[in-house]
Amino acid sequence: AQSVSQHNHHVILSEAASLELGCNYSYGGTVNLFWYVQYPGQHLQLLLKYFSGDPLVKGIKGFEAEFIKSKFSFNLRKPSVQWSDTAEYFCAVNALNFGNEKLTFGTGTRLTIIP
Amino acid sequence: GAGVSQTPSNKVTEKGKYVELRCDPISGHTALYWYRQSLGQGPEFLIYFQGTGAADDSGLPNDRFFAVRPEGSVSTLKIQRTERGDSAMYLCASSPSGRGSNTEAFFGQGTRLTVV
Repeated sequence: AQSVSQHNHHVILSEAASLELGCNYSYGGTVNLFWYVQYPGQHLQLLLKYFSGDPLVKGIKGFEAEFIKSKFSFNLRKPSVQWSDTAEYFCAVNALNFGNEKLTFGTGTRLTIIP
Repeated sequence: GAGVSQTPSNKVTEKGKYVELRCDPISGHTALYWYRQSLGQGPEFLIYFQGTGAADDSGLPNDRFFAVRPEGSVSTLKIQRTERGDSAMYLCASSPSGRGSNTEAFFGQGTRLTVV
């Protein structure tokens, strides 16, 4: 079975600091990878996704993530965070061999940005 | 509306009662998913519909949980004999295809179920 690990449970940063949130998955086959964000009181929204091709993917709001297949990782980065980035971030994987797009999520990382 | 709609947004019920949670997917989306999110956890897969049929119900925790999608659009998640451990946020998502075609899922706001 596939699983996703997010090792940072709560990250606190000051505005303009750089961000990297870790995500590792366990599945040996072909995967699609996602980062979702949940702002306070709002629904899950897609930040970015990797299906194939360039392993460095860019998403909305200046976020990017790099897929490193040899490390089973898909870390999320942003060079300079803003107060409005305060939210919960979820990494998710879809194992393509399953024939559907059900997602396995990590436990999430709560990001707090201090103005 | 353009997004996935879930009703009610909040539901409080007594232990042992029956509840129904409704999901209205994005128009034209053939794939529909239900997830459950407990406090401090990520969403966990419950069931997946392709059209009217439940193509994968491997995530349903036990036979008290059941879901239907009779016309291939609106779906209802049904929970019988609710228990306090069923308290969670129930999320619905839909996507255009669902058959591993490299599309993304769009999530609703969720229904927060509290069993007292």
